[in-house]
Amino acid sequence: DGGITQSPKYLFRKEGQNVTLSCEQNLNHDAMYWYRQDPGQGLRLIYYSQIVNDFQKGDIAEGYSVSREKKESFPLTVTSAQKNPTAFYLCASSILPGQVYYNEQFFGPGTRLTVL
Amino acid sequence: GIQVEQSPPDLILQEGANSTLRCNFSDSVNNLQWFHQNPWGQLINLFYIPSGTKQNGRLSATTVATERYSLLYISSSQTTDSGVYFCAVGGDFGNEKLTFGTGTRLTIIP
Repeated sequence: DGGITQSPKYLFRKEGQNVTLSCEQNLNHDAMYWYRQDPGQGLRLIYYSQIVNDFQKGDIAEGYSVSREKKESFPLTVTSAQKNPTAFYLCASSILPGQVYYNEQFFGPGTRLTVL
Repeated sequence: GIQVEQSPPDLILQEGANSTLRCNFSDSVNNLQWFHQNPWGQLINLFYIPSGTKQNGRLSATTVATERYSLLYISSSQTTDSGVYFCAVGGDFGNEKLTFGTGTRLTIIP
C-alpha cells in the first residue's frame, strides 16, 4: 500500500533532550513537509524539502532541524533549543513541485510529542 | 503571507442536516485543499480545488478564485462527519507550502 508513515505515534521527552521523528513515504513524491499543530489551532510549516539534499525553513523553524538524504525519508529533530516542543507533528508529501495543475499534499498519521 | 479565515469556528447540527463551511483567503492561490481531521488527528483529503466545483458523494466544494473564497457543503450529515474541517491554501509555484486556517469544528448530534 502506498502512503506516508510516521513513527513513533507517541513520544515523551525530558527537557533538554533532542528527539528525532521519523517520516517515510513510498508514493515516489519529490516534496516533503513538516507541520506542527497546537491544540485548537491550524497547522504551521516547520521545514520543507523539494529535492534530496535540499530543504528550506518554514514559518517556525527555530529549534528544529531536518535532513533529506533519501527521497523517501525526511526526519525531523526537535532540539533542546525549541522552547515549547509539546505538540502534534504531521509530515506531508506532494509530487514534483512546480507542476502547475496538481500539487496536492497528503499527510501521515502524526506524532504526538510531550515534554515532561 | 497569505491569510486564511474560516467560518464559522464551531457548528453543532442534528444528524441529517445540511451545512456550509466557508474559507476566505487574502491573495491569489494555486492550491486550495479541504481536509477533515478525525478524532485521532489524521488529516483526510477531501478536495483539491484551486478553482471550480467538485462533488464527492454527500460532500461538494466550490472555489471562486477571483473573489478569494471557497465553500464546503455537507449534505445529510452523519455522526461520522464530526471533527475539524480545515482549509489550506498555497501561493507561488515552486513553493508549495500550505497555509492553514484555524478550522471549523463540526459536531453532529444523533
